[in-house]
Amino acid sequence: KAGVTQTPRYLIKTRGQQVTLSCSPISGHRSVSWYQQTPGQGLQFLFEYFSETQRNKGNFPGRFSGRQFSNSRSEMNVSTLELGDSALYLCASSLLGGLSYEQYFGPGTRLTVT
Amino acid sequence: AQSVTQLDSQVPVFEEAPVELRCNYSSSVSVYLFWYVQYPNQGLQLLLKYLSGSTLVESINGFEAEFNKSQTSFHLRKPSVHISDTAEYFCAVSSLSGGSYIPTFGRGTSLIVHP
Repeated sequence: KAGVTQTPRYLIKTRGQQVTLSCSPISGHRSVSWYQQTPGQGLQFLFEYFSETQRNKGNFPGRFSGRQFSNSRSEMNVSTLELGDSALYLCASSLLGGLSYEQYFGPGTRLTVT
Repeated sequence: AQSVTQLDSQVPVFEEAPVELRCNYSSSVSVYLFWYVQYPNQGLQLLLKYLSGSTLVESINGFEAEFNKSQTSFHLRKPSVHISDTAEYFCAVSSLSGGSYIPTFGRGTSLIVHP
């Protein structure tokens, strides 16, 4: 079974631009979660999508948004990029989400904002 | 609100020595606890989890963690480490609140195993 894939792996953007990151979950998984990882703040939960609906949301501004398609693939969008948005963005999929199902993480997309 | 504290940002240790990575959490409700490992340039992998039942949980590669409710801790231990255990380790807590859950991660502990 293929693992979680994220594209692109590396991205450089300029302040004020917007960016879209993509995540393909493990086949059969219906839950996709997104995280931001930075040296200063550690790993922070952005949001979770399940069956095309946002089910949980972390404490991030509205510039961060996402969506999930009928095939469970998910995209995350960040508008009006700021320098502080430079981070590793991790996507994780799980069979049904919730507390007890294991999350499988992708390798991440490293975003650099200049 | 829940929080996770990993008391050591870096733990250097010699190969074959024992190691303990400390994790404390705060939450007002029942929690589920997890340890994840992240190798360089990779995503996180689940190492072990506590959901209920026995407070001592083990992983397939020799790590174990004990849930201590009174101490609100979930420390990770290994009796003898290998060079290949060098990685970043994250403790995480999830709790059900208001019908939904938001997982909270600690800042991570970098385990550095020296030959």
